[in-house]
Amino acid sequence: AQSVAQPEDQVNVAEGNPLTVKCTYSVSGNPYLFWYVQYPNRGLQFLLKYITGDNLVKGSYGFEAEFNKSQTSFHLKKPSALVSDSALYFCAVSENTGGFKTIFGAGTRLFVKA
Amino acid sequence: GAGVSQSPSNKVTEKGKDVELRCDPISGHTALYWYRQSLGQGLEFLIYFQGNSAPDKSGLPSDRFSAERTGGSVSTLTIQRTQQEDSAVYLCASSLKTGGQPQHFGDGTRLSIL
Repeated sequence: AQSVAQPEDQVNVAEGNPLTVKCTYSVSGNPYLFWYVQYPNRGLQFLLKYITGDNLVKGSYGFEAEFNKSQTSFHLKKPSALVSDSALYFCAVSENTGGFKTIFGAGTRLFVKA
Repeated sequence: GAGVSQSPSNKVTEKGKDVELRCDPISGHTALYWYRQSLGQGLEFLIYFQGNSAPDKSGLPSDRFSAERTGGSVSTLTIQRTQQEDSAVYLCASSLKTGGQPQHFGDGTRLSIL
């Protein structure tokens, strides 16, 4: 069974600095990996996904994520954080088994300070 | 355009009562997911429907929980004999088969058990 871990409950970053939100996963086969964002009082939004191909995946709002198979990680990154990036971020994983049962991590709250 | 619609948006009920939560996915989306998000927690997978295939019910926490999807469109999540620990936000998501992962989330139903 697949699982995903987000080791940090909270990440604090100053505006303009680069940010990283960490994610590690465990699957039996090839992973499908995703990041979602949940802004206060708004629904969950899909940010980006890795299925195959380039290890660096670009997504919405200037975010990108790097797939590292040897470290089983899929960290979310952004070169320059904005205050408006403050939100709850979820990493998720599916196994490439023909179905798409998608498991979410516990979430990491990002605070970007002006 | 129409997104994923969930109803009711809020539901308050007494312990022991049955509740039904409804999800109307985006037209043409064959995959439908139910998740539960407790206060301050991540998303807990409940059930996944994909087209005419048998649903993946592996996330349902007890036999008090059931879900069905009629005609490959609208889905209903039913909780019988509700308990206080059932209080949470219940989220529905849908996606095209080729997309796989939950692509579009509804705003959720906030369920409060008194």
